[in-house]
Amino acid sequence: RKEVEQDPGPFNVPEGATVAFNCTYSNSASQSFFWYRQDCRKEPKLLMSVYSSGNEDGRFTAQLNRASQYISLLIRDSKLSDSATYLCVVNEDNSGYSTLTFGKGTMLLVSP
Amino acid sequence: SAVISQKPSRDICQRGTSLTIQCQVDSQVTMMFWYRQQPGQSLTLIATANQGSEATYESGFVIDKFPISRPNLTFSTLTVSNMSPEDSSIYLCSGRPSSYNEQFFGPGTRLTVL
Repeated sequence: RKEVEQDPGPFNVPEGATVAFNCTYSNSASQSFFWYRQDCRKEPKLLMSVYSSGNEDGRFTAQLNRASQYISLLIRDSKLSDSATYLCVVNEDNSGYSTLTFGKGTMLLVSP
Repeated sequence: SAVISQKPSRDICQRGTSLTIQCQVDSQVTMMFWYRQQPGQSLTLIATANQGSEATYESGFVIDKFPISRPNLTFSTLTVSNMSPEDSSIYLCSGRPSSYNEQFFGPGTRLTVL
């Protein structure tokens, strides 16, 4: 069974804090990885892709460790608007077509 | 990017009835999917909607219960048949322009079965 595991949280942090989320995946053949953000009662939206060399987008940094099958997301200088659920997502290739496997999400609450 | 709309946005249905959810994408997408998300849970893939052929269902989901249509590259429907309270969930349509592009989601259909 292919699984994506995340700490559900919630992570409660003050504005301006740095917070990190981790995720592990079970399928060593997975090829691509993403972090999605889901606000309460809304659909998921792509936050960023995760590349083998690591990548940064403003306050957000994503890293991939293939050997440990581990993905991380670092958020610096947290804003109130960062409060959401962050979904770790792994792209699985299945007999010629690819599907996304979602973790249960990590909830982040940023307080004033 | 792709903008995806779904109808209805929510519904309350009686046990034993069926509901068809429509998904419309504002541009052609190679792949379309249907997911289910129950409260506090992750998204679970129901099936990949294939244009002009039968959908590809994931383990635990069958065509008789969740028939899917995809007549073209911008539209798909999911029917939840013979509903029971266990089918109460949010159903999300998703589209991807190609195998390596971002995958977009519709706003979801919140279904409650009494």
